[in-house]
Amino acid sequence: GAGVSQSPRYKVAKRGQDVALRCDPISGHVSLFWYQQALGQGPEFLTYFQNEAQLDKSGLPSDRFFAERPEGSVSTLKIQRTQQEDSAVYLCASSSTEREIEQFFGPGTRLTVL
Amino acid sequence: AQSVTQLGSHVSVSEGALVLLRCNYSSSVPPYLFWYVQYPNQGLQLLLKYTSAATLVKGINGFEAEFKKSETSFHLTKPSAHMSDAAEYFCAVSLSGNTPLVFGKGTRLSVIA
Repeated sequence: GAGVSQSPRYKVAKRGQDVALRCDPISGHVSLFWYQQALGQGPEFLTYFQNEAQLDKSGLPSDRFFAERPEGSVSTLKIQRTQQEDSAVYLCASSSTEREIEQFFGPGTRLTVL
Repeated sequence: AQSVTQLGSHVSVSEGALVLLRCNYSSSVPPYLFWYVQYPNQGLQLLLKYTSAATLVKGINGFEAEFKKSETSFHLTKPSAHMSDAAEYFCAVSLSGNTPLVFGKGTRLSVIA
């Protein structure tokens, strides 16, 4: 595809459920980032991959959050035992090389935890 | 550590008036600076970026921003607002490629007919 895609676009979960959010980066892009955007706030960094290697996961808010990119393309962000405070838009971004500074963003997944 | 402060969570201008959205940054090393726009239910779109070349950066849709090191500022301007400019605007900073973006809290721009 022409841009970064994310699925699902909207997800409603009951508290305690596990969810999986998918990101398809632009084909050939080496770097992939996940951000969390709470209502009325700017995006905040969660984790980052270069190819299949997770180089930085310092932004993950708890051990309930887990991300993977096993083949260096598609990435999945998994949240276990969801809590209400996990409600947010989860944004994925990719960039073409390890030196490229411009990140291209997907439309996001809006997660609502009831 | 880097940080970004956007002054004014909401700015309202009349159609045709000057748009000025303020951004101040803090960084221990020369930063890369960005302005992104976000329309409702959409992702972030890059308006422009500063990469230590020219201090006055021109972007898409008639926007521009000036990097002022002495003021640690990177304010976004547009001479004449259009209704289609109504959106959320985010200023962001990064140290280099391969590093996460640090965003401000955003400024919502309203354009009044």
